[in-house]
Amino acid sequence: DIVLTQTPLSSPVALGQPASISCTSSQGLVFSDGNTYLSWLHQRPGQPPRLLIYKISDRFSGVPDRFSGSGAGTDFTLKISRVEAEDVGVYYCMQTTQFPHAFGQGTKVEIK
Amino acid sequence: EVQVVESGGGLVQPGGSLRLSCTVSGFTFRDHAMSWFRQAPGKGLEWVAFIRRKDYGGTAEYAASVKGRFIISRDDSKSIAYLQMHSLKTEDTAVYYCSREGSIAGRYYDSWGQGTLVTVSS
Repeated sequence: DIVLTQTPLSSPVALGQPASISCTSSQGLVFSDGNTYLSWLHQRPGQPPRLLIYKISDRFSGVPDRFSGSGAGTDFTLKISRVEAEDVGVYYCMQTTQFPHAFGQGTKVEIK
Repeated sequence: EVQVVESGGGLVQPGGSLRLSCTVSGFTFRDHAMSWFRQAPGKGLEWVAFIRRKDYGGTAEYAASVKGRFIISRDDSKSIAYLQMHSLKTEDTAVYYCSREGSIAGRYYDSWGQGTLVTVSS
């Protein structure tokens, strides 16, 4: 099974400053169709997860452009260019390239 | 507007059974695969089960932790996905979320319900 490891697990960030979260996969995530099915989701306390990014770098509809995804192979990154108050919560990477689907442990972003 | 609503959670004793429902609206249910996920109190997200569209066989996949105990199914005529849970353990206690696979091309989960809480305790 694929294991996703996120770093850091906690990220205090000042408003307006950038934030970066890393996600490393135990195996390559390229599917047989050539795509890499790595997503990023955001979960605020008491809320369901919300999709931000899919296929490494495709921003989902309505997601602000301060969020961006990058990476390839086994190493992926989510970047927030300028953190806003509404960005607090836990961020998860998720792979759907193969079963079982898997999540990273989550990275808690809070305002410093 | 896409809506996903989970129901059926509650308190159940270890060894008991429970059936969760995921009722959707605002999109053509039969055109989407569906998954169940869960989140134990204070913990991260865990994928539980997946069911394909009928035109892709309607087959299912399960996490090892629930295989043989949980069954995912779908009723396209009612736009409902189910999760039948048997032989429940205390470690199955979690908020259970249902989500649709937004696109086969993207294999992402774009619409999530608010979840339903399952508590397994004596």
